[in-house]
Order: sequence, then structure tokens, then C-alpha cells
Amino acid sequence: GAVVSQHPSRVICKSGTSVKIECRSLDFQATTMFWYRQFPKQSLMLMATSNEGSKATYEQGVEKDKFLINHASLTLSTLTVTSAHPEDSSFYICSARDPRRNSPLHFGNGTRLTVT
Amino acid sequence: QKEVEQNSGPLSVPEGAIASLNCTYSDRGSQSFFWYRQYSGKSPELIMSIYSNGDKEDGRFTAQLNKASQYVSLLIRDSQPSDSATYLCAVNTAGNQFYFGTGTSLTVIP
Repeated sequence: GAVVSQHPSRVICKSGTSVKIECRSLDFQATTMFWYRQFPKQSLMLMATSNEGSKATYEQGVEKDKFLINHASLTLSTLTVTSAHPEDSSFYICSARDPRRNSPLHFGNGTRLTVT
Repeated sequence: QKEVEQNSGPLSVPEGAIASLNCTYSDRGSQSFFWYRQYSGKSPELIMSIYSNGDKEDGRFTAQLNKASQYVSLLIRDSQPSDSATYLCAVNTAGNQFYFGTGTSLTVIP
């Protein structure tokens, strides 16, 4: 079964509104979670690394004030897309890693965001 | 140099053939290696993990690791149209950092 749960799977929102996406690790405690964005026919792009109890680390070119990340517990990270624009429409995927060494990264099922 | 490199393809093979996907990595101290499959519009799913030199088989899939040459490969035997997807190679480096290749697009032609 899934070890990382992501909700919602699909969301449509109007320009200017904010959208929150949740990512939960189900079978382990994840001190670190990762958020990716993927446009059609393109590679996964790492947006940020979410660290439990501390600030997220953002990749170059990703606006931290627009993509708010909160990792308040060892099993939950949230990504909030603020003041959404149509160009934010994309497939957002979270992942988490079992802290045991050499464990793989587990992905959520992704969130398809459409901004109208 | 990128941490993990893959040929982006596209790779096309006829149904029933062997598909061979390759990946090279730069950190010689890397310890664990993974192959993920991603169907269009879906998130990646883990299909193989390999940690030691040699071959690891799981059904129609065989992962091969050669640490001396710093490459990992994935063989898919008896390829099926349902194997058509993008395959991502991932490496856990000595510093416990996780890196992905850009993926190889595979099409199995019926």
C-alpha cells in the first residue's frame, strides 16, 4: 500500500486564490520531505526540501513567498501556492524518505493543479 | 557534470524484445540505487532497488550495478506495451543525498 499520501489529487482554483496541498508519510517518520513540480512532457523539478521543525530549503528560482512550505510534524508537510496564477498550473508531487539508511524515496500520487 | 545521467531517449523496442536502460553516476561513494517508472500524468513508482555489484532480478526486470564503472542499468525482458513509460534512475550518494536522472522515455511497439 501507499506509504506517502498526498491530497488533494486534483484541484481547480481561480487566479488570486491560495491552494494547500498536504503530504503525509504513513509508515514512518520523515524529517525531510521533498516537493516537485512537473510540467507536461518535462522532467521532475525539485522545488524545495521541507525540514521538520525548521525552514524549508528552496531551489534556485523558486519563490519562497509564493510557495509556502510548512513541516510542522514528522508525518506532515504542506505546500501552499499563494495568489495562484494560470502559469502555476502543473503537477505537484511530494516525496518522503524513510530515515533508515539506503531507503528509497517514496512518492505521493501527485496533485494536478489548474488555475483558471 | 550532473550527479546522475541518463539518455533521455526516446527508446523504442518491439513487443517481446529486451529493453535496456542505462544510467551513470558521479559520486563513487554512492551506496544505493533505484529505478522508478513514471507513467504519463502519474507520479513515479519504485520498481527496483540495488545495493551490491552484480545483477538483481525481479520478474521481467533485472537491475545491474557496476560500482567500478559507476553505472546502473535496467533490463526489461519480454517488453510489453504496458511497459511504455519514463524510467528514472536515482542514486543515494555517500553524503546521503538523493539524485535523479532526467529519465529515459521507453515506447514498446505492439
